[in-house]
Amino acid sequence: DTAVSQTPKYLVTQMGNDKSIKCEQNLGHDTMYWYKQDSKKFLKIMFSYNNKELIINETVPNRFSPKSPDKAHLNLHINSLELGDSAVYFCASSQDFRDEQYFGPGTRLTVT
Amino acid sequence: GESVGLHLPTLSVQEGDNSIINCAYSNSASDYFIWYKQESGKGPQFIIDIRSNMDKRQGQRVTVLLNKTVKHLSLQIAATQPGDSAVYFCAEPTGGKLIFGQGTELSVKP
Repeated sequence: DTAVSQTPKYLVTQMGNDKSIKCEQNLGHDTMYWYKQDSKKFLKIMFSYNNKELIINETVPNRFSPKSPDKAHLNLHINSLELGDSAVYFCASSQDFRDEQYFGPGTRLTVT
Repeated sequence: GESVGLHLPTLSVQEGDNSIINCAYSNSASDYFIWYKQESGKGPQFIIDIRSNMDKRQGQRVTVLLNKTVKHLSLQIAATQPGDSAVYFCAEPTGGKLIFGQGTELSVKP
């Protein structure tokens, strides 16, 4: 059973398009996150949600809009994609931000 | 800037040798640190953590050392195996979020 799953695994799209990445966790955790990992492996938090409420928004452009329909899901919608959005995006979950976080397998986004 | 950082971006060791991955932090009030391992094509995975009331914590083949005087922590992997090849991150939960260090890529030579 996959604890944190993301779809799609790979996403190739053109500049200006709008795309979504979905994330689901079956661990019963209250908190979910989106991270961006650049080509140098630097991993940075973008958003965190606790019980469907936005807790952290790390000065991410408003082209990025997370949506949490329920505690087990946190989707990421990106409008007007830019070349600089190319990265690997990871979803994660934990009971609390100080607890062990469980990461999904990542979505490699390539914007051409 | 980030509150945690690593000294070396890459580390190459011979299979069977011990590996030491270092991490520095800047906030003397930091009280909890976590090490994550990220294998190629996968998400980071928790390895071991340590609280500031400890100097050392041991797991299976891994040991984390914390030196609060110089604000430094290290991850030691005993008898490094090919399966240990990965990027290792130190991380600190602070301000409601987890801050990751730069990452060290460990390569194990057969």
